[in-house]
Amino acid sequence: EVQLVESGGGLVQPGGSLRLSCAASGFTFSHHWMHWVRQAPEKGLVWVSRIDDEGSDTGYADSVKGRFTISRDRAKNTVYLQMNSLRTEDTAIYFCARGGYYDYYGLDVWGQGTTVIVSS
Amino acid sequence: DIVMTQTPLSLSVTPGQPASVSCKSSQSLLHSDGKTYLYWYLQKAGQPPQPLMYEVSNRFSGVPDRFSGSGSGTDFTLRISRVEAEDVGVYYCMQSIQVTFGQGTRLEIK
Repeated sequence: EVQLVESGGGLVQPGGSLRLSCAASGFTFSHHWMHWVRQAPEKGLVWVSRIDDEGSDTGYADSVKGRFTISRDRAKNTVYLQMNSLRTEDTAIYFCARGGYYDYYGLDVWGQGTTVIVSS
Repeated sequence: DIVMTQTPLSLSVTPGQPASVSCKSSQSLLHSDGKTYLYWYLQKAGQPPQPLMYEVSNRFSGVPDRFSGSGSGTDFTLRISRVEAEDVGVYYCMQSIQVTFGQGTRLEIK
């Protein structure tokens, strides 16, 4: 079964850090771009970041650029999102999603999400 | 950035009746490979988005054939031929060239 399982969310104070993880299984992880998408409470979906199959090409939304870092460990079939200098507006459910072989392919598998709350 | 605009933002439909959602992009989604990278997702309450359509008009595996997609360039439509109670949720269009989503359209049952 193709599966993505996120972890690492929690409550953090403004200015703090968190590292999210997304464990992939059931498919050839090294063949896919991977993405993070977030959803603030009662709001829509917003793309956050993506990483290529080799881990060398990354992209970020302007709202997180310079604060968040995406990476992947091919041996562990896991993608990460290191979030620093967190702000209250980063409060959201963070979904990991599978992309395709090319960067312009869409997202066809989603995890259940992990919740990040930034509050004092 | 490519902006995706959905209309309507909400609709209320009687079971068995059709429904449609429009999605317009600020730039053409036609890629140099000849394909158009427009997707549709349904997010039910408390769940992650579930893929419905890819490349405008192709259903993902397991999606009922009452769902169909059409359009080209910058104008796209998702249609449900006969709405069922399980279709309730928020529908999102997404372009994958730069990955942006529409605002979402909430479907409820009358």
